[in-house]
Amino acid sequence: AQSVAQPEDQVNVAEGNPLTVKCTYSVSGNPYLFWYVQYPNRGLQFLLKYITGDNLVKGSYGFEAEFNKSQTSFHLKKPSALVSDSALYFCAVVRDKIIFGKGTRLHILP
Amino acid sequence: EAGVAQSPRYKIIEKRQSVAFWCNPISGHATLYWYQQILGQGPKLLIQFQNNGVVDDSQLPKDRFSAERLKGVDSTLKIQPAKLEDSAVYLCASSKGGARSSYEQYFGPGTRLTVT
Repeated sequence: AQSVAQPEDQVNVAEGNPLTVKCTYSVSGNPYLFWYVQYPNRGLQFLLKYITGDNLVKGSYGFEAEFNKSQTSFHLKKPSALVSDSALYFCAVVRDKIIFGKGTRLHILP
Repeated sequence: EAGVAQSPRYKIIEKRQSVAFWCNPISGHATLYWYQQILGQGPKLLIQFQNNGVVDDSQLPKDRFSAERLKGVDSTLKIQPAKLEDSAVYLCASSKGGARSSYEQYFGPGTRLTVT
């Protein structure tokens, strides 16, 4: 059965520090992997995706994610956090169907 | 480019009543999704259409939920009768691609349903 896990409910990072939001998955074959962000009072927005090719993918707002097949992970990263990055982040896996993680709330401290 | 439109934005009903949600996807997008997002959880796919055909409705509670996408454009999701546990945000999304799509999804603002 397909599953995706976001092990942290909340991540707190000081502004200017690097951030990581974790995502691991369990699926057979080669999935497509996505990150979406939900800002307060706004709909979900696409950030980036991994389909094939280079394991490091770059997306919107300076975010990037690294696909690690051996660890079945797709962690979201940013070298220097901004207060405006504070939001709810969702990892999603597409194989036979799409499954979203439960979300991680990212709080950037000024 | 206009985004995904949903209406109403908010709805409060009593249990056992019926309710309908409407979604208009981005023009030209073949695939339309309905999700249920309960507070504190990620979106759960209810039904996926490609054009006007159903691709996946395995998680749709078919005894009370129904959805249609006539003419392969806009879509309605209905709940009848509603239960307390149906209180959630109902999200509509669309994408360019087909069933197992590598294309990103574009989400509407959602409809917040409260069942009392």
